[in-house]
Amino acid sequence: EVQLVESGGGLIQPGGSLRLSCAASGFTVSSNYMSWVRQAPGKGLEWVSVIYSGGSTYYADSVKGRFTISRDNSKNTLYLQMNSLRAEDTAVYYCARYVAGLGRFDPWGQGTLVTVSS
Amino acid sequence: NFMLTQPHSVSESPGKTVTISCTRSSGSIASNYVQWYQQRPGSSPTTVIYEDNQRPSGVPDRFSGSIDSSSNSASLTISGLKTEDEADYYCQSYDSSNHGVFGGGTKLTVL
Repeated sequence: EVQLVESGGGLIQPGGSLRLSCAASGFTVSSNYMSWVRQAPGKGLEWVSVIYSGGSTYYADSVKGRFTISRDNSKNTLYLQMNSLRAEDTAVYYCARYVAGLGRFDPWGQGTLVTVSS
Repeated sequence: NFMLTQPHSVSESPGKTVTISCTRSSGSIASNYVQWYQQRPGSSPTTVIYEDNQRPSGVPDRFSGSIDSSSNSASLTISGLKTEDEADYYCQSYDSSNHGVFGGGTKLTVL
């Protein structure tokens, strides 16, 4: 079964750092495009970042220079390193496989909540 | 980049048909596939339509998708509404750099 399981969320103070993990099963992370999408409380979905199978990375302007997407091929796991966190980064963070060329996110993980507050 | 605009909310009675629109701000709606996701409270999004009008296995044929180049928009139509269809629905496309673009979401109320 194709599945994604996120972890690493929690309460963090403004300016702090947090690393999210997304463990994949049923497919190989390094052979696919992988993305992070977030959803602030009561708000819509916002694309955050993508890593290509070849390793290229791209970010939304709102997180560029602060967030880093990466993967560990040996662990079949995707990561999102979040630095200089702000209150507006508070959201549920989902990882999803991105089907390049078709533009579809599937599957999605269950999400992990990041709360940035003092 | 472009934006996708959806109505904030729609409501309809059980058994009726509802259509949710998704208008692309610039560039042709036909140039990149459009997906539709259903999100129930507390759950992750799930695909109900992909590649403009394709339905994943397990999604009832009451769900259909289309695009209209004249209005530069995509539409999700749900017929024979059931109370279980009550959810938030998001359209999604992408740009040339594979940056995902989401609509703001539409809350469907089945009353």
